[in-house]
Amino acid sequence: GAGVSQSPSNKVTEKGKDVELRCDPISGHTALYWYRQSLGQGLEFLIYFQGNSAPDKSGLPSDRFSAERTGGSVSTLTIQRTQQEDSAVYLCASSLAGQGRADTQYFGPGTRLTVL
Amino acid sequence: AQTVTQSQPEMSVQEAETVTLSCTYDTSESDYYLFWYKQPPSRQMILVIRQEAYKQQNATENRFSVNFQKAAKSFSLKISDSQLGDAAMYFCAYRSPLSGTYKYIFGTGTRLKVLA
Repeated sequence: GAGVSQSPSNKVTEKGKDVELRCDPISGHTALYWYRQSLGQGLEFLIYFQGNSAPDKSGLPSDRFSAERTGGSVSTLTIQRTQQEDSAVYLCASSLAGQGRADTQYFGPGTRLTVL
Repeated sequence: AQTVTQSQPEMSVQEAETVTLSCTYDTSESDYYLFWYKQPPSRQMILVIRQEAYKQQNATENRFSVNFQKAAKSFSLKISDSQLGDAAMYFCAYRSPLSGTYKYIFGTGTRLKVLA
């Protein structure tokens, strides 16, 4: 079946503009993660959605970052008033469970965000 | 808090040879899960291998195997008969199995170059 998809693949924006990044998880996966990967760095956890539970937003770096997951499926990560330090690859992953015994995360190809 | 350390920013291996990528972690938990992910230039993170800490037997997947040393908190990845397609960033990751704990902790990655 289809894997995790993300759009756009690349996004170039000007400092101060708002951007929206989209993630379509694998059908049936209840858990969804957003990560940020800066150049030469590992993956930084941003936010986690699990079913109908309240999301864990503890990784969001500032109040300029927010995310939604509509209908338990598609998720949108929004960055308001972008700054140059927001430039990174934003990765989305989904999995079947997200709790208890470890499940495998399936990653999307990411969105490369460049803030000029 | 758990941490994951990959001390080799970059490694090179000759095609058809064997290479070992190192990963150490710090945790006070006795049961957990460890993963190796591969990220080729396409950015798509792919699960290479996973290990449950309660299993003493080292996980293997075709040419990929791990050397899991629980007491030393070491989780190295061995790639045998290296192929050009193995060139990628490799990330080690840790996950707690506790219910309600779903965050994956990633290392900073090791870039593997395969020389023809």
